[in-house]
Amino acid sequence: EDKVVQSPLSLVVHEGDTVTLNCSYEVTNFRSLLWYKQEKKAPTFLFMLTSSGIEKKSGRLSSILDKKELFSILNITATQTGDSAIYLCAVRSNFGNEKLTFGTGTRLTIIP
Amino acid sequence: DVKVTQSSRYLVKRTGEKVFLECVQDMDHENMFWYRQDPGLGLRLIYFSYDVKMKEKGDIPEGYSVSREKKERFSLILESASTNQTSMYLCASSFGGAVPAYGYTFGSGTRLTVV
Repeated sequence: EDKVVQSPLSLVVHEGDTVTLNCSYEVTNFRSLLWYKQEKKAPTFLFMLTSSGIEKKSGRLSSILDKKELFSILNITATQTGDSAIYLCAVRSNFGNEKLTFGTGTRLTIIP
Repeated sequence: DVKVTQSSRYLVKRTGEKVFLECVQDMDHENMFWYRQDPGLGLRLIYFSYDVKMKEKGDIPEGYSVSREKKERFSLILESASTNQTSMYLCASSFGGAVPAYGYTFGSGTRLTVV
């Protein structure tokens, strides 16, 4: 059974801090790993990672994948209150029809 | 702007009621999914459908059923609602075959409370 675990489950930091969110996985026929941000509505896509060691970056957010150790991290630097959200990790696998398996999510709260 | 629309944002139902959650997408997607989201448990797949009139069980189908009579609409049915079905329900869709690089397109969710 495919499994995706995120840590920590929740995190509270002050504005301006840097945070690191973790995602580890065990899946059959790994294809890629995706990060989503979920505020009060639908999850919105952040990154897709396919290759180990190649950092994806968008503004203050960055992410990297380690396919040997089966994990990914999402970094957010100089956090702002607008970064408060649930961050979801999902792994895309190919077993018959492709599907996404989602992790437990990390609830990030930024205190002004 | 393409989207997935869930008919209700908030819903309160009584134990034992039959509950319908509706999801409509306007992207001509083949695949549609129903998840429930609970703190500490993440998104868990209830049912999915790869085509009209087709349905497959996900990881937690007990107590739920689904209907896909038209390509754009995927309904989740709680035959007899129970308090442990209080949760956020998310609908998602994607094209068939390979999952797109951006993953699924999600609806805004329905927060269901069963009292």
